Amino acid sequence: DTAVSQTPKYLVTQMGNDKSIKCEQNLGHDTMYWYKQDSKKFLKIMFSYNNKELIINETVPNRFSPKSPDKAHLNLHINSLELGDSAVYFCASSLSGPNSNQPQHFGDGTRLSIL
Amino acid sequence: DAKTTQPTSMDCAEGRAANLPCNHSTISGNEYVYWYRQIHSQGPQYIIHGLKNNETNEMASLIITEDRKSSTLILPHATLRDTAVYYCIVRVVTGFQKLVFGTGTRLLVSP
Repeated sequence: DTAVSQTPKYLVTQMGNDKSIKCEQNLGHDTMYWYKQDSKKFLKIMFSYNNKELIINETVPNRFSPKSPDKAHLNLHINSLELGDSAVYFCASSLSGPNSNQPQHFGDGTRLSIL
Repeated sequence: DAKTTQPTSMDCAEGRAANLPCNHSTISGNEYVYWYRQIHSQGPQYIIHGLKNNETNEMASLIITEDRKSSTLILPHATLRDTAVYYCIVRVVTGFQKLVFGTGTRLLVSP
């Protein structure tokens, strides 16, 4: 009954490949996020979707393409993987409105290693 | 969002209270204070948040000074499992959420 689940947990692949990470939440939240935590442990937001609509798009290479088929899912597809993409990617969700103070709930991360 | 300042690391003996300070001197009136923690190899975990008043839940207490320029997260009886990096974040609650994580405080709870 995991609230925010990501698959796969580990992903090891070669440079140049294309890969996807999936995220699902069963909390009934309407907003989902992708964060990246690099080797120095800095955690930074990449994207956010509210009701399947992109609302936050930080300065992220266009090789990264999020897709939200419905409110409960937010997937991240990465094309032409580079060494610098090696990181832990966290999905999160929250119940948001125009003035919401509700907290975000995070998954346990996907550890992506590029060879 | 306002920036926060936290000590890089702190130590606490098991069973004692852990008091983690956070300075947010430029906080504005409509910004909340949030605390999250990240235990090794796990995703960030929400702990508590508040605006003006002190808050308490099953995990911790949050004490916010009257001028709101600083706050303290209190873990009343720290256990070894509380060893983690603790992040203090301030954010406005208009529009959609965006959490900006700093470097946090690494809390080590020892036997």
